[in-house]
Amino acid sequence: DIVMTQSPDSLAVSLGERATFNCKSSQSVLYSSNNQNCLAWYQQKPGQPPKLLVYWASTRESGVPDRFSGSGSGTDFTLTISSLQAEDVAVYYCQEYYSTLRTFGQGTKVEIK
Amino acid sequence: EVRLVESGGGLVKPGGSLRLSCTASGFTFSLYTLNWVRQAPGKGLEWVSSISSSSRYVYYADSVKGRFTISRDNAKNSLYLQMNSLRADDTAVYYCARDATYGYFEYWGQGTLVTVSS
Repeated sequence: DIVMTQSPDSLAVSLGERATFNCKSSQSVLYSSNNQNCLAWYQQKPGQPPKLLVYWASTRESGVPDRFSGSGSGTDFTLTISSLQAEDVAVYYCQEYYSTLRTFGQGTKVEIK
Repeated sequence: EVRLVESGGGLVKPGGSLRLSCTASGFTFSLYTLNWVRQAPGKGLEWVSSISSSSRYVYYADSVKGRFTISRDNAKNSLYLQMNSLRADDTAVYYCARDATYGYFEYWGQGTLVTVSS
């Protein structure tokens, strides 16, 4: 089974500053058929269901602000918020969809410093 | 507009059973893989089960294998999760989620709370 590990568990960033957090998979999630990484990022605000932000590791979902960007390949991935806004306070989860088990990372909680 | 609405949650005693439903609208239900994802209070997301568009392929997390059964009725635009032999650690909000063309989860319902307690 693929294990997804996110770091850090929590992060406090000042408004307008950059927030960067990581996701590491225990094995490569590179899909050979299209040479894309099967890695998605979700944002979950309190009391709400998760919301898809990024898929294929770096493709932003429609309507997601361009301050959110995903990067990485193979086993190491990063989600960056270029200029943190108050509405970005949330828990962020990565997920692999390379396997049938669709494992999530444990989440990174982003707060305002 | 895509909508997924879960129902059927509630309080159940350990060892008991419960059946969750997810009613979908706004898309051609029979074309998409569907999933159940749960979130224990204050915890992270845990994928529970998935079922392919024709019900040919079903998959389960090890934590629920042999106790939970996923099914769907494409004529009724409905997804189900039959949960048996429930344990306290099954207490969670259960979300229904629709795959995109590939395996990430494009749409989510609002969730239904299952509480397993004596």
